[in-house]
Amino acid sequence: GAVVSQHPSRVICKSGTSVKIECRSLDFQATTMFWYRQFPKKSLMLMATSNEGSKATYEQGVEKDKFLINHASLTLSTLTVTSAHPEDSSFYICSASLAGVTDTQYFGPGTRLTVL
Amino acid sequence: KQEVTQIPAALSVPEGENLVLNCSFTDSAIYNLQWFRQDPGKGLTSLLLIQSSQREQTSGRLNASLDKSSGRSTLYIAASQPGDSATYLCAVRGWDTGNQFYFGTGTSLTVIP
Repeated sequence: GAVVSQHPSRVICKSGTSVKIECRSLDFQATTMFWYRQFPKKSLMLMATSNEGSKATYEQGVEKDKFLINHASLTLSTLTVTSAHPEDSSFYICSASLAGVTDTQYFGPGTRLTVL
Repeated sequence: KQEVTQIPAALSVPEGENLVLNCSFTDSAIYNLQWFRQDPGKGLTSLLLIQSSQREQTSGRLNASLDKSSGRSTLYIAASQPGDSATYLCAVRGWDTGNQFYFGTGTSLTVIP
């Protein structure tokens, strides 16, 4: 089956630094990838939709300059949290859709970000 | 904007019991609905996908139903096991939102041995 990986699985950083999270579709091409954020005991909140080769579409209330998304290839999307602050600490999950097959999203295992 | 709610927020049952998780959504014009399982600190595992034209889907001990007109879906788990303990999320996808899913608030299930 389709597999999506995320790296790193867990990261701790100091306030003010930037952190990059990678999302890869391992055995399929993903024209669209999604980035979600999940707060403790809360549901997933869609942050942005990323289409290969074009700018990401951000949801209302999500700061584009703070959460930089790049989808440079059909198998890789990255989320960079710039100038991280403790309130950015969260669980970030990506998902990917098969090119031409839009019924199913495959989710990555998530990345736990802790900003000290 | 689509809003998805799940009731109850938490549920604790003894092993062997059958149980029902509920999901409601405000906009009935959905493309499909999907149930996921999430273990603590982990990503999502897809359990069942119901297309808008379908009424239910079954996989093993799991059965999911969909009533679009009333904006409801249920996930039925038969003969629950301790390994079923996890958070269950439902998510709906609309016709005009591309691949975007709107997630419910989740139900945290604990099955007591």
